[in-house]
Amino acid sequence: TQLLEQSPQFLSIQEGENLTVYCNSSSVFSSLQWYRQEPGEGPVLLVTVVTGGEVKKLKRLTFQFGDARKDSSLHITAAQPGDTGLYLCAGVLWVHNDMRFGAGTRLTVKP
Amino acid sequence: NAGVTQTPKFQVLKTGQSMTLQCAQDMNHEYMSWYRQDPGMGLRLIHYSVGAGITDQGEVPNGYNVSRSTTEDFPLRLLSAAPSQTSVYFCASSYSISAGVPETQYFGPGTRLLVL
Repeated sequence: TQLLEQSPQFLSIQEGENLTVYCNSSSVFSSLQWYRQEPGEGPVLLVTVVTGGEVKKLKRLTFQFGDARKDSSLHITAAQPGDTGLYLCAGVLWVHNDMRFGAGTRLTVKP
Repeated sequence: NAGVTQTPKFQVLKTGQSMTLQCAQDMNHEYMSWYRQDPGMGLRLIHYSVGAGITDQGEVPNGYNVSRSTTEDFPLRLLSAAPSQTSVYFCASSYSISAGVPETQYFGPGTRLLVL
C-alpha cells in the first residue's frame, strides 16, 4: 500500500478543460512537493508547500496543502497539451523526516 | 552547467551479472541520492549521501551498493543483478538539506535497466 495515494491514476481531457488531482494520506507531513515528469526524463519540481492550508499558484496551476497536513491537491485551469505528463507528489513525514513519493497521476491533454 | 547526468541510458543484463550506473553533477551539491521508479509504486529511495565519504541506506537498499569519493560522482553498483531489479533508476542532487531531507532536488534523465 502506498503511503501517499494519488488519484486519479490516469486522466485524459480536452484542451481548455479544468482538472484537479489529489494526493492523500493518513500520515502527517511537514512539507509536500509536487513534480511533473515527462516521458524519458526525470521529475522536475513544481512547488513545495509547508504550512497547513497553504495555497500556492504557479500560472494556471494552483496547489493546496490540507489543513491537517495529510493531503494536497493540484488544480489546473484551462489545461493545455504542454501540461501533459506524470504528476507526482512527495511528502516529508512529520515523525521520521523521511520523504516518500506517490505513484503519480498520468495526465493527457488532447488538442 | 550540465546538471545531473546519468549513464548509460539503457542497459540489458543477465541474471547474476554486475554493473555500475554512473551519476555525476556539476552544481557542487552535497546531497545526492538514487531512486528506482516502478509502475504503480512511485519513486523509492535506494541510497543517499550527504557529502563525500558519507552514504546511508534508503527505503530499498538490498542488492545495491554506493560510494561517494568525490562531491561530483555517486555511482550505484548492482553486485548480482536479479529480474526484480528491472526498473528505471534516477539519480538526484540537492544543494541544501532541511531536517535531514533534501529541499529542491534536481533529477537526472534516468537509466532504464532490464534484467533477464
